[in-house]
Amino acid sequence: GDSVTQMEGPVTLSEEAFLTINCTYTATGYPSLFWYVQYPGEGLQLLLKATKADDKGSNKGFEATYRKETTSFHLEKGSVQVSDSAVYFCALRGDYSGTYKYIFGTGTRLKVLA
Amino acid sequence: EPEVTQTPSHQVTQMGQEVILRCVPISNHLYFYWYRQILGQKVEFLVSFYNNEISEKSEIFDDQFSVERPDGSNFTLKIRSTKLEDSAMYFCASSGDKANYGYTFGSGTRLTVV
Repeated sequence: GDSVTQMEGPVTLSEEAFLTINCTYTATGYPSLFWYVQYPGEGLQLLLKATKADDKGSNKGFEATYRKETTSFHLEKGSVQVSDSAVYFCALRGDYSGTYKYIFGTGTRLKVLA
Repeated sequence: EPEVTQTPSHQVTQMGQEVILRCVPISNHLYFYWYRQILGQKVEFLVSFYNNEISEKSEIFDDQFSVERPDGSNFTLKIRSTKLEDSAMYFCASSGDKANYGYTFGSGTRLTVV
């Protein structure tokens, strides 16, 4: 079945450092891919998405490119801030009719130090 | 910005009791979902709901669980005869378009079964 694999956390960075959180997936067809962020004590917020190969999703300085050839959707940010400290979830929605569910990775906790 | 509202934010219940978790999705959304996140673990799909019926459910969503849209605004998850392992954060979500949009999640209800 479909699955999402994320790099283990926690990831600890200094402010202004470059961030990469790896995400790879297994799915048939062309799933839609998403990154969600969960700040402490809050729910899940959509950060960015991509619905087809080579699409780049971007938001708030974060970017991720849908790479069909490597089945990856790595999250990047050029300069992290303390306020980016959160848990980041990669997710996919399968490409077959009748499915609505998202499959989430295990989440990667990011801690940014001032 | 429109929000998905969940109540209560935290519920404590005795093992064996029934609980109802409540959600108010975004008003013009048509697809509704419940997910759960056991502490420190991944976010898991429970059920999706469209046109007043369940459209998809996971193996977790057994006879202990039920969902209902009792009026035009609320979407509820009922858990009968709660068990200790039902303790988790339960997230409601809604979407207007199942194909391309990300969900909007509520901030969750933390259920603690004692």
